[in-house]
Amino acid sequence: DTGVSQNPRHKITKRGQNVTFRCDPISEHNRLYWYRQTLGQGPEFLTYFQNEAQLEKSRLLSDRFSAERPKGSFSTLEIQRTEQGDSAMYLCASSLQTSVETQYFGPGTRLLVL
Amino acid sequence: DAKTTQPNSMESNEEEPVHLPCNHSTISGTDYIHWYRQLPSQGPEYVIHGLTSNVNNRMASLAIAEDRKSSTLILHRATLRDAAVYYCILRDDNAGNNRKLIWGLGTSLAVNP
Repeated sequence: DTGVSQNPRHKITKRGQNVTFRCDPISEHNRLYWYRQTLGQGPEFLTYFQNEAQLEKSRLLSDRFSAERPKGSFSTLEIQRTEQGDSAMYLCASSLQTSVETQYFGPGTRLLVL
Repeated sequence: DAKTTQPNSMESNEEEPVHLPCNHSTISGTDYIHWYRQLPSQGPEYVIHGLTSNVNNRMASLAIAEDRKSSTLILHRATLRDAAVYYCILRDDNAGNNRKLIWGLGTSLAVNP
């Protein structure tokens, strides 16, 4: 399967711990997006990469959050000193730069902070 | 970004057509109308998009009002697998590079067997 993959699918951690999530986009896609989704809400944009460059970060992305896409392929999202409010589904999407882009989403990583 | 309004929930019977409405009265001339859906415990998936003309693909049809202030996603024969949250999203695909999607609450569609 050549879709978007995310690992891990589930993560339970204690408050104050650091966590890192990985996203592997569709191989030829040069754009990669991270979203966060809490229960009963639509996804919220967090950040966006074009190749290896992080071009936009939402105000939702506090200093405890950092994202990288070192070689323009896979991406990681790290949350430091997790808080209970970080509990959510973290979604990754990739797309090919075209005039009207379709985003392809991974299955998400569900984070629970105890 | 222009906002959309969708009913919170709708119900349909299997093998019947479903019409999912979306109001977007503040749509601008360069906003495309995108529909995504999210099945339970899965990431969202693209359904269809359009600008002015009605569109058809293997998943659904999109009917766009002449004034573009509303649109309707049509599932021609609902199946149990179509039970999902359907999101109607406006995006200016002519503006800059960031094609982020701004999501509302969507319509939760239940399909009865």
